[in-house]
Amino acid sequence: DSGVTQTPKHLITATGQRVTLRCSPRSGDLSVYWYQQSLDQGLQFLIQYYNGEERAKGNILERFSAQQFPDLHSELNLSSLELGDSALYFCASSVSVAAGGSHNEQFFGPGTRLTVL
Amino acid sequence: EDKVVQSPLSLVVHEGDTVTLNCSYEVTNFRSLLWYKQEKKAPTFLFMLTSSGIEKKSGRLSSILDKKELFSILNITATQTGDSAVYLCAVDDSGGGADGLTFGKGTHLIIQP
Repeated sequence: DSGVTQTPKHLITATGQRVTLRCSPRSGDLSVYWYQQSLDQGLQFLIQYYNGEERAKGNILERFSAQQFPDLHSELNLSSLELGDSALYFCASSVSVAAGGSHNEQFFGPGTRLTVL
Repeated sequence: EDKVVQSPLSLVVHEGDTVTLNCSYEVTNFRSLLWYKQEKKAPTFLFMLTSSGIEKKSGRLSSILDKKELFSILNITATQTGDSAVYLCAVDDSGGGADGLTFGKGTHLIIQP
């Protein structure tokens, strides 16, 4: 158990709908990362938040957005869902983002499996 | 664009065998290389490598990085059925985790009894 929690575990919804995935980082971790894992693309970085602020963006669609709240939990919002959005969505956390190169391993939550029908 | 290539894609061996998994990478500003083990759920952290030639070891698993040739290997000795998993290699290219990790597609390892 990494200490990162994600809800829900599974989510089935229809095309065109909107869903919210929730993540609580490990105690003390300030950075939260969202990843999408599909069979053909592997693990793809979506977005990172550090202490409530967006820090970096990866391959995140405009239909997707995220935020990190004062208690450091994060939510990933997926809207206008398409069949191709079906995937495992992972949240990971790390201690901090340190300017100048401190190396922080990321610890992954159990993931949310999203199925779009 | 950063790139991580893992080989082989899939590997089936018998219990007790030793396996070597490969990871080669191309990144703009290398900071670290990480190995994760993914069974049914979340990737679990194995190693972080930042310096060439220094072996990291944990039980039957070990890993080493070659920053000149831009690759890393993960060795598993005396394999057990519980080692069956997808092993993921990732690189951090920005320092301090300011960007997400770039992952390879993984090596699917199957250990047969």
